[in-house]
Amino acid sequence: GENVEQHPSTLSVQEGDSAVIKCTYSDSASNYFPWYKQELGKGPQLIIDIRSNVGEKKDQRIAVTLNKTAKHFSLHITETQPEDSAVYFCAASGLGSGYNKLIFGAGTRLAVHP
Amino acid sequence: NAGVMQNPRHLVRRRGQEARLRCSPMKGHSHVYWYRQLPEEGLKFMVYLQKENIIDESGMPKERFSAEFPKEGPSILRIQQVVRGDSAAYFCASSPDGKTIYFGEGSWLTVV
Repeated sequence: GENVEQHPSTLSVQEGDSAVIKCTYSDSASNYFPWYKQELGKGPQLIIDIRSNVGEKKDQRIAVTLNKTAKHFSLHITETQPEDSAVYFCAASGLGSGYNKLIFGAGTRLAVHP
Repeated sequence: NAGVMQNPRHLVRRRGQEARLRCSPMKGHSHVYWYRQLPEEGLKFMVYLQKENIIDESGMPKERFSAEFPKEGPSILRIQQVVRGDSAAYFCASSPDGKTIYFGEGSWLTVV
């Protein structure tokens, strides 16, 4: 089955710097890659996703890149702000089955210092 | 997260009791997923249901755990005879089409 590895487990940056989180997946059939932000005591919130027919996607300060050959994808946050501090999870799934059985990475705890 | 309602948000049970967690999906969503998150870990898939049907329960423990999504009413995740290892956050997610999914705020179960 699918296995998703996520690095780093913790990341500390200064406000205004960029943050990059990387994930690798094992199943070449996976074709959907979302990123979730989870704040303390809350549920995961979808922040951006990418499908395998696209190499990059941007939404304001957030971007995701996908390298299907190498089977890795990354989250890039530019101009970080203290409110970006949270745990970020990557996930992968194959949508061919008609539903979305997400396999999550272990998470990255991002701390943005003022 | 708006719209996927889970209750209770926090539940404390003694070992051997039953825990019943409820999830009301977003309006118009007929697909429901349950995930479990152990402390300091990522979310693990448990079960996927459509109205009145369990489609994929490959992540559910074989014993003590069950899930349903009746024609009327919320989806229920039921854990019988809870043990300390069941302490976790349980997240429900719903989808209009089975693909893009939206999570609720979670139910935190503590077994004492």
